[in-house]
Amino acid sequence: KAGVTQTPRYLIKTRGQQVTLSCSPISGHRSVSWYQQTPGQGLQFLFEYFSETQRNKGNFPGRFSGRQFSNSRSEMNVSTLELGDSALYLCASSFSGGVETQYFGPGTRLLVL
Amino acid sequence: TQLLEQSPQFLSIQEGENLTVYCNSSSVFSSLQWYRQEPGEGPVLLVTVVTGGEVKKLKRLTFQFGDARKDSSLHITAAQPGDTGLYLCAGAHAGGTSYGKLTFGQGTILTVHP
Repeated sequence: KAGVTQTPRYLIKTRGQQVTLSCSPISGHRSVSWYQQTPGQGLQFLFEYFSETQRNKGNFPGRFSGRQFSNSRSEMNVSTLELGDSALYLCASSFSGGVETQYFGPGTRLLVL
Repeated sequence: TQLLEQSPQFLSIQEGENLTVYCNSSSVFSSLQWYRQEPGEGPVLLVTVVTGGEVKKLKRLTFQFGDARKDSSLHITAAQPGDTGLYLCAGAHAGGTSYGKLTFGQGTILTVHP
């Protein structure tokens, strides 16, 4: 079974731009969660989608948004990029988004200049 | 706030030594996962524990979930340079406000010197 895939792997943007990241979950998994990882804050939960609906959201500004498609693939968007948005963005998938194991993708490294 | 305190933050040891990483919380978790992460890559699952008092072994790695499901430990026997990496514990709560959310510890950076 193929693992979680994320594209692109690396991105360089400038302040004020917007960016869209993509995540394809493991086949059969319907829940996709997104996390931001930085050296200072560690891994922080952004949001979770299940059946095209956002069910849970972390403490991030509205510039961070996402969506999920009918095939469970998910995208996250960051608008009006700030320097502090530079981070590794990780998505994880699980069967239902309950307490079962989450499997992570390789991440997208975003650098904002 | 559902925090996970992980210790130590840094561990530098010689090949062949044993080590233990701890993960503690004041809240009860329904499950707890341990991951290992290489620089620039995503976390790779090592184990999931769900039952209080549970002990799981993965070759030289032993994972324990506390009886009250508030703490966990990872013990590595006879560490090898290939064990070098960032070790993360992450807890999950049941319930609607916790869908898809893992709470992570700060991580332990382990370096094993040959």
